[in-house]
Amino acid sequence: DAKTTQPNSMESNEEEPVHLPCNHSTISGTDYIHWYRQLPSQGPEYVIHGLTSNVNNRMASLAIAEDRKSSTLILHRATLRDAAVYYCILRGTGNQFYFGTGTSLTVIP
Amino acid sequence: KAGVTQTPRYLIKTRGQQVTLSCSPISGHRSVSWYQQTPGQGLQFLFEYFSETQRNKGNFPGRFSGRQFSNSRSEMNVSTLELGDSALYLCASSLTASGGPLSYNEQFFGPGTRLTVL
Repeated sequence: DAKTTQPNSMESNEEEPVHLPCNHSTISGTDYIHWYRQLPSQGPEYVIHGLTSNVNNRMASLAIAEDRKSSTLILHRATLRDAAVYYCILRGTGNQFYFGTGTSLTVIP
Repeated sequence: KAGVTQTPRYLIKTRGQQVTLSCSPISGHRSVSWYQQTPGQGLQFLFEYFSETQRNKGNFPGRFSGRQFSNSRSEMNVSTLELGDSALYLCASSLTASGGPLSYNEQFFGPGTRLTVL
């Protein structure tokens, strides 16, 4: 099984940048790195994904190490609405996602 | 566009009973996956259906089963419920089945069904 490792929890002050790390040393050369987040009482929602190059979208940026064994999700300015559990995910066969334990992000006003 | 809907949202059953959960994917989506979320094990993949066929199955006992209908709606069934089956059951839909290692399909998750087994 494809595995990811993330810190259990992190804190950030509101309006400051947040860097959420993920290790995925068993990643294969064709695996996308996916990030989803789960707000309280909701299902996971898509944040960003990437393969080799760094990626940006309106929600976040994804920085991928050159050897692809780790990545970092960057929220440029954390807001209270960003408080959630963030999952770094590798995909198995078909559309099967391997979720790690996730990082619970607390945003301090 | 309506999102993924799951019914019921909450369910209480007793040990030994069986339960059926329903998932309606986003219109036009043909792939449906099911996940179990518990505090101890996190999110674990149950199975994936595409065009009424099970394509992948996670490491769960045979008490867990599912099916998909021609309109892409999916149901999962758990027979002979155990206390450990208490969990949030999440359904996710994708436009298509995976096209291979370098293909990408965003998955859209529903709000889940909270099952409590007493």
